Amino acid sequence: DADVTQTPRNRITKTGKRIMLECSQTKGHDRMYWYRQDPGLGLRLIYYSFDVKDINKGEISDGYSVSRQAQAKFSLSLESAIPNQTALYFCATSDRTRDWSNQPQHFGDGTRLSIL
Amino acid sequence: AQSVTQLGSHVSVSEGALVLLRCNYSSSVPPYLFWYVQYPNQGLQLLLKYTTGATLVKGINGFEAEFKKSETSFHLTKPSAHMSDAAEYFCAVSGVDAGGTSYGKLTFGQGTILTVHP
Repeated sequence: DADVTQTPRNRITKTGKRIMLECSQTKGHDRMYWYRQDPGLGLRLIYYSFDVKDINKGEISDGYSVSRQAQAKFSLSLESAIPNQTALYFCATSDRTRDWSNQPQHFGDGTRLSIL
Repeated sequence: AQSVTQLGSHVSVSEGALVLLRCNYSSSVPPYLFWYVQYPNQGLQLLLKYTTGATLVKGINGFEAEFKKSETSFHLTKPSAHMSDAAEYFCAVSGVDAGGTSYGKLTFGQGTILTVHP
C-alpha cells in the first residue's frame, strides 16, 4: 500500500460545485502539504500543516480551504470550483526533526481535477 | 525568500548520452536543495538532496548534482541516459521565510521534461 494516498485519483465536476480532495498517510509524519501542479509552473504550495492544530496558508490559498482531521489525514476543499482551478493536485508529508528544512517531502500520486 | 529557475523546459538526449539538467537558485541564506523526478501518472520521488558538507551529491539511478555557491547552481547530471530516465524533473529549494524562520517549505522550479531517444 502507498504511504501517501490521495482520493479520488481523477475527478470531473462543474463550475460552482463544492469538491473535497482527501489525503491520508501511514508514514507517521507530522507535517502535511497540499500543492497544485500546472504545466510550465511547477508545483505551488496551497496550504501546509505542522500538526493537527497548526494550519498555514501557502502562496496560492485563495479559493481553497483545508482541514486536518487527524495526524494522518489532511483534506483540501474547493468551496465553489472555477475552471482555472483545473490542475493536478498533490499531497505531501515530511518528518519533524530538529532541522526541518532539510527533510525531503513524500508525495502521493496526485488527483487530476477538471472543472467544466 | 527563495526562488528556483530551471533552464530549458524540454531536454532531449540519445540513449547513452550525457544528461545535464540545469537549475539556478536564489536564496538569502544557505539553501537546502533537492531534485525530484516525476514519472507519468505518479507523484514526485526524491532523487537527491544537498544540505551541508560535500558539494557533489550522489542520488538514485546514477544521478548526481553539484552545488556551486559562486554560480548559485545545482545542476543534475547522469553520464549515460537510459530510456527509463524519461520523466519530468524538478529542482526545489528549502530555506527560510521573510521573517527568517525555517519551516521546511519547498519552492519548486518550473520543471524540465527529459526525453530519451533510442
